[in-house]
Amino acid sequence: AQSVTQLGSHVSVSEGALVLLRCNYSSSVPPYLFWYVQYPNQGLQLLLKYTSAATLVKGINGFEAEFKKSETSFHLTKPSAHMSDAAEYFCAVSGGSGGSNYKLTFGKGTLLTVNP
Amino acid sequence: KAGVTQTPRYLIKTRGQQVTLSCSPISGHRSVSWYQQTPGQGLQFLFEYFSETQRNKGNFPGRFSGRQFSNSRSEMNVSTLELGDSALYLCASSLFRTSGTLGEQFFGPGTRLTVL
Repeated sequence: AQSVTQLGSHVSVSEGALVLLRCNYSSSVPPYLFWYVQYPNQGLQLLLKYTSAATLVKGINGFEAEFKKSETSFHLTKPSAHMSDAAEYFCAVSGGSGGSNYKLTFGKGTLLTVNP
Repeated sequence: KAGVTQTPRYLIKTRGQQVTLSCSPISGHRSVSWYQQTPGQGLQFLFEYFSETQRNKGNFPGRFSGRQFSNSRSEMNVSTLELGDSALYLCASSLFRTSGTLGEQFFGPGTRLTVL
C-alpha cells in the first residue's frame, strides 16, 4: 500500500529563515503529490500539487516543492518564513503503485512554528 | 463561489448513540470524500461518493456509512459510537472523477465530534 513519511513532526524556524518540510513517498511509480496546510480549527487548504508536469512546483503564499523521483521525495520549501506560516502541513499522495487515484493518503503532518 | 460547508461544526454525543454529519460540496462538484482526523492516526480516508454511489471505501468498520443525494450533498453516519470515534471529520469535494484522477479536492472546515 502507498505510504507517506514526513520527517519531523515539529519544525521551528525564525521569522525570515528558510522553511524546509520533508516528505517521502513509497511508490515506485510516481504518484500525484500534494501539500496541504491546516490552520487551527480549519479544514485543509491546498498549497501546491505535482501531477507529472514540471518537477519544480510553485504554490500559494511563496511555497514551492521539488519532485525528485530518484529520492522519492517531495520536500516543501519557502525562502523566508512569515509569522502567518505557522500551521500544520500535510504531504499527501494519490495514485502510484499500490495507491488509488481516487483517495488521498496523508503523512502524519509537520507542525511549523515561526519565532519572531 | 461558496466553499464546502459542513454541519454541524461541533457535536457532543455519548457512547452507544449514533450521529449524522452533513456535507454540502462546492456547486457543480459531483464527488464527495470523507476523512477522519485524529491525533493518533492522523488523516484517514473513509469513503468517496460520486453520482450517488460509493466508489471507494477505506478501512473502517461497518458502523461508518454514508450516502450521497442527487444534488451531490452527502451525509455520513456513525452508529453505536465509541470513545475512539472522537475526531475531526473532514469532507472534500471534487469537480470530476475520470479514469485518471479525482481532481483537486477542496476541504470543508470539518465537524468536531466528541464522544463521552
